[in-house]
Amino acid sequence: GENVEQHPSTLSVQEGDSAVIKCTYSDSASNYFPWYKQELGKGPQLIIDIRSNVGEKKDQRIAVTLNKTAKHFSLHITETQPEDSAVYFCAASTYAGNMLTFGGGTRLMVKP
Amino acid sequence: NAGVTQTPKFRVLKTGQSMTLLCAQDMNHEYMYWYRQDPGMGLRLIHYSVGEGTTAKGEVPDGYNVSRLKKQNFLLGLESAAPSQTSVYFCASKRIGGAQETQYFGPGTRLLVL
Repeated sequence: GENVEQHPSTLSVQEGDSAVIKCTYSDSASNYFPWYKQELGKGPQLIIDIRSNVGEKKDQRIAVTLNKTAKHFSLHITETQPEDSAVYFCAASTYAGNMLTFGGGTRLMVKP
Repeated sequence: NAGVTQTPKFRVLKTGQSMTLLCAQDMNHEYMYWYRQDPGMGLRLIHYSVGEGTTAKGEVPDGYNVSRLKKQNFLLGLESAAPSQTSVYFCASKRIGGAQETQYFGPGTRLLVL
């Protein structure tokens, strides 16, 4: 089955700096890669996703890149703000799949 | 719409006790999931359901049972709780379709087994 590894497990940045979280996956059949944000005491919430037919996708301060050859994808947050502090999860699946395989999570702390 | 709700929010059990976690969704979603979240291990799928009356095993199903008697509800049961089942449990639901359909998560149930 699919295995997703996520790094780093914790990340501390200064407000205004950029943050990058990286994930690798094992199943070459995976072609859908969402990112979820989990705030304290809440369930995860989808923030952005990417499909294998594109290499990059942006949504305001958030971007995701995908390298299918190397089987890794990354989340980039620019101009970080304190409200970006949360746990971020990457995941992988196939389009037809009903299940997501999640990475171990990254706790991002943005210091004012 | 309330989205996905979970009951209870927090529970303490003694080893060997049983309990049922309730998940309810009001979005008319076909698919529902139960995950457990442990530090450093992300979200691991316990069981899932692709429709009323159907269930399937996920990555870590041992020690758990589920039922989907109504489309809007998905129950997770622990027949004989063990300390290894101390975790935060999340329920999620999504529309019919592939993985690109967004999973919507509930707020979680924190379970402590002594």
